[in-house]
Amino acid sequence: GDSVTQTEGQVALSEEDFLTIHCNYSASGYPALFWYVQYPGEGPQFLFRASRDKEKGSSRGFEATYNKEATSFHLQKASVQESDSAVYYCALSESGGYKVVFGSGTRLLVSP
Amino acid sequence: DPKIIQKPKYLVAVTGSEKILICEQYLGHNAMYWYRQSAKKPLEFMFSYSYQKLMDNQTASSRFQPQSSKKNHLDLQITALKPDDSATYFCASSQTGPNTEVFFGKGTRLTVV
Repeated sequence: GDSVTQTEGQVALSEEDFLTIHCNYSASGYPALFWYVQYPGEGPQFLFRASRDKEKGSSRGFEATYNKEATSFHLQKASVQESDSAVYYCALSESGGYKVVFGSGTRLLVSP
Repeated sequence: DPKIIQKPKYLVAVTGSEKILICEQYLGHNAMYWYRQSAKKPLEFMFSYSYQKLMDNQTASSRFQPQSSKKNHLDLQITALKPDDSATYFCASSQTGPNTEVFFGKGTRLTVV
């Protein structure tokens, strides 16, 4: 079945550091890829998506580029802030399907 | 104003009992979902409905039964509760399928003792 792998369980940075969270996927078809963010006590919130190869998704300074060859969708941000501390989930959805498959999540801790 | 209402927010149940988790969405969406989140499995897809029709079911156990009485309602009935069912259950919705943005509720935290 489809799956999403996030290699970092936790990332600890200081404000203004550069962020990369790695995401690789396995899917039988040509999925749409997503990043969601979850804050304590809340459900996940949509950050952005990309649905075709080489498409860049972005929101709030975060961005990721769909790489079909490498089956990757790595999240980056040039300069993180303390308010970015949250859990970030990479996810995919197959075309015509009715479920979103989430990765295991990466907890981002940003210290001032 | 929360657009996806889940009730109750917290729930404590006794092993072997039955509970119903309530979900209503006021976004005008046609698709609704249930997800489960625990320490063992961060965000696990359970069910999806579109126009009140079951579209996908990844829950192996028949103890979990979704119930859709109206297009904007998708409740989750859980029978014969086990301690392993302890988790936060999230209801979600999207305009059409999940290739569009999926909106999540705040969840119901279930503890089975």
